[in-house]
Amino acid sequence: GENVEQHPSTLSVQEGDSAVIKCTYSDSASNYFPWYKQELGKRPQLIIDIRSNVGEKKDQRIAVTLNKTAKHFSLHITETQPEDSAVYFCAAIGGAGGYNKLIFGAGTRLAVHP
Amino acid sequence: DTGVSQNPRHKITKRGQNVTFRCDPISEHNRLYWYRQTLGQGPEFLTYFQNEAQLEKSRLLSDRFSAERPKGSFSTLEIQRTEQGDSAMYLCASSSPRIPGTSGQIKQETQYFGPGTRLLVL
Repeated sequence: GENVEQHPSTLSVQEGDSAVIKCTYSDSASNYFPWYKQELGKRPQLIIDIRSNVGEKKDQRIAVTLNKTAKHFSLHITETQPEDSAVYFCAAIGGAGGYNKLIFGAGTRLAVHP
Repeated sequence: DTGVSQNPRHKITKRGQNVTFRCDPISEHNRLYWYRQTLGQGPEFLTYFQNEAQLEKSRLLSDRFSAERPKGSFSTLEIQRTEQGDSAMYLCASSSPRIPGTSGQIKQETQYFGPGTRLLVL
């Protein structure tokens, strides 16, 4: 079945710097890749997603890129702010696992220091 | 709040007791999912409903776990004879499938999560 690996597990940046989180997936038939942000004690919230027919998507300070050949996708946060501090999860859906369950990475704890 | 809601938010129980959690999805969503999240990990899929039909169950869902969605709206997740290893955050999500595109390809659906029920088994 699908497997999603996420790196790094922790990331510490200074306010204003950029942060990049990378994920790889195993099932080449997966076709939808959402990113969720989870603050301590709160629900995972979708921040951006990308479908397999698109290579890049941007929403203000957040962008996601997808390399289908390499089965990599990445989250880019520019001009980081302290409120960006949270755990970020990548996920994949589709392929042999079907379209009914998200397969998540283990998460990246991002700390943005003022 | 028109998002996904879950009750209770916290549950502490003794090993061997039964517990039941409730999830109320976004009203127009016909798909409902249960996930389990342990500390430091991403959510893991447990089961999925389309309307009242339970269409998929993970191997993580042992026979002590049962989920229902009797009227295709709210769902309950029951754990019988709880064990300490059941301690986790139980997350519910809902989604609404998109209309197939003109090309016939089914469009992907976004899953919206509830706040979760944190279970501690002593």
